[in-house]
Amino acid sequence: AQSVTQLGSHVSVSEGALVLLRCNYSSSVPPYLFWYVQYPNQGLQLLLKYTSAATLVKGINGFEAEFKKSETSFHLTKPSAHMSDAAEYFCAVSGWFSGGYNKLIFGAGTRLAVHP
Amino acid sequence: EAQVTQNPRYLITVTGKKLTVTCSQNMNHEYMSWYRQDPGLGLRQIYYSMNVEATDKGDVPEGYKVSRKEKRNFPLILESPSPNQTSLYFCASSLSRPSDYNSPLHFGNGTRLTVT
Repeated sequence: AQSVTQLGSHVSVSEGALVLLRCNYSSSVPPYLFWYVQYPNQGLQLLLKYTSAATLVKGINGFEAEFKKSETSFHLTKPSAHMSDAAEYFCAVSGWFSGGYNKLIFGAGTRLAVHP
Repeated sequence: EAQVTQNPRYLITVTGKKLTVTCSQNMNHEYMSWYRQDPGLGLRQIYYSMNVEATDKGDVPEGYKVSRKEKRNFPLILESPSPNQTSLYFCASSLSRPSDYNSPLHFGNGTRLTVT
């Protein structure tokens, strides 16, 4: 069965520093992978998605993620953090399940804090 | 503006008092779903609907009911709420299955429910 593990429930960086949020997945079939972001008091919104077209995926707000099959990872990065990046980030994986219905499985989330 | 609208945003109730959380989308999406978000657990799916009159259980359906009589509306019903249903609830919709790479989930802003 598909699953997602996000390493680190809280990450804190300085403004201007590199952001690295880790996501490892488990899937018996080629997965689709997603990163969603949740700003305070809002719902989740799609940041980027991997669909096998390219291993390096660029998303909104300067974020990107690289799919590494050998490491079963899909880590999210941004070269230079901005205060407005403070939010909770969720990695999600999709795939077929035994019932035939394919759905998203979300990780537990990583809360990113950015300090001056 | 394309959106998913949930009401109310905040709800405090007592054990056993029936309540309904409404959800409406204006994007003519076929797929709708309810999630609950709890610290350290990420988002867990409660129920989903692939189309009108087509609903099915997600991962944590116990204690909840849903209906899909119209395409745009997908209310969540708690017939007899209990304290363990205290959580943050999200309604979401997508054009088709949310795991389809071209069908991202659109989320409402959430309903924070407290059951005492």
